[in-house]
Amino acid sequence: GAGVSQTPSNKVTEKGKYVELRCDPISGHTALYWYRQSLGQGPEFLIYFQGTGAADDSGLPNDRFFAVRPEGSVSTLKIQRTERGDSAMYLCASSLGYDWTSGRVNSYEQYFGPGTRLTVT
Amino acid sequence: KQEVTQIPAALSVPEGENLVLNCSFTDSAIYNLQWFRQDPGKGLTSLLLIQSSQREQTSGRLNASLDKSSGRSTLYIAASQPGDSATYLCAVLTQGGSEKLVFGKGTKLTVNP
Repeated sequence: GAGVSQTPSNKVTEKGKYVELRCDPISGHTALYWYRQSLGQGPEFLIYFQGTGAADDSGLPNDRFFAVRPEGSVSTLKIQRTERGDSAMYLCASSLGYDWTSGRVNSYEQYFGPGTRLTVT
Repeated sequence: KQEVTQIPAALSVPEGENLVLNCSFTDSAIYNLQWFRQDPGKGLTSLLLIQSSQREQTSGRLNASLDKSSGRSTLYIAASQPGDSATYLCAVLTQGGSEKLVFGKGTKLTVNP
């Protein structure tokens, strides 16, 4: 089956502009995660969704960053008034997550997409 | 706060050599530990996941071990090949509410023909 997909693969924007990054999780995965990776570093957590709601947004660096997942599937990471320091690889992941029927987590294993390389000039 | 450290930061070996990559973490209360591979400019490919109750996992030439009490994991690669050249990342999922992975900075492996 299809894996996690992210669009665009590359995005170049000017300082001060607004950008949206999209993530399509694996079908049936209820949990979705956003991470940011700077050059030479490991990925750092930004936010994760269980269904439509943000379960933990403690990694968002400031109020210029916002993410939504209105129907519990596709998610969009939105960055306002971009700065050069926002340049990084943005990674999305999904997992089976919480089963509302059984009340248990199906699996914590996270599957990553190819990422979006954001460059702010 | 969970912290993950990977040693060495970079490693260069001749083809055919067996090698070990190290990962340590500060909080032993984890659900699992994952090893990933990342090629330059690409996303992450999951290699192995070890649950907290497990001691090791194997996939082909890869073997990952976990010593939760000491906060350590190793990734063993047998008979290395040039195609193994990549950055290897270790990540842990800590107990306590959030499902975020905490990553190390990775080990950049170069296998020379």
